[in-house]
Amino acid sequence: DAKTTQPPSMDCAEGRAANLPCNHSTISGNEYVYWYRQIHSQGPQYIIHGLKNNETNEMASLIITEDRKSSTLILPHATLRDTAVYYCIVRVLNTGNQFYFGTGTSLTVIP
Amino acid sequence: GAVVSQHPSRVICKSGTSVKIECRSLDFQATTMFWYRQFPKQSLMLMATSNEGSKATYEQGVEKDKFLINHASLTLSTLTVTSAHPEDSSFYICSASGTSGGSYQETQYFGPGTRLLVL
Repeated sequence: DAKTTQPPSMDCAEGRAANLPCNHSTISGNEYVYWYRQIHSQGPQYIIHGLKNNETNEMASLIITEDRKSSTLILPHATLRDTAVYYCIVRVLNTGNQFYFGTGTSLTVIP
Repeated sequence: GAVVSQHPSRVICKSGTSVKIECRSLDFQATTMFWYRQFPKQSLMLMATSNEGSKATYEQGVEKDKFLINHASLTLSTLTVTSAHPEDSSFYICSASGTSGGSYQETQYFGPGTRLLVL
């Protein structure tokens, strides 16, 4: 699976949009981009995933560049409960394929 | 939907004893389950992949005789830490992917984790 690079930490003001970047320059054509987050002492929570088109759900939006070498997760109106470590993972879409977690970005939402 | 549970949520045991952790998919059938370990301030490390009815596949460096994994049904996998020692103290997390063709096949859903402390 392709390696991802994320900034180790970011701050965001409450109510503002949080934009979390991820670089995956060696991504293959059949690898999807997944985002998870982990709130302290809990299991990771699925946020969103996509292949090449931008995706949006009730939690966030995923913007993937045209060359697919990077992506941005957008939390449109960050709240204090969004404070967590956010992980960007790329993997082939298949039930049996593993996720390998990198170090992620620690997002702190500031009141 | 896509709820995964773990039991127990935390366990304290004496060195040398064995501890079993259960992982259940509550509202979908999980063809594949995964086990991770996480040490404080570190990322999740994949330990093993288990398919229902088959032997688990362990990641390099993970002792299969120490971390016994059983995936006997499409909704239950167990991890047994045998002869636990203080260095096995960690946060153990499972995840599950749904059956091929189903709505839960595309991603993994994680349990809440089990915190193990070996004295």
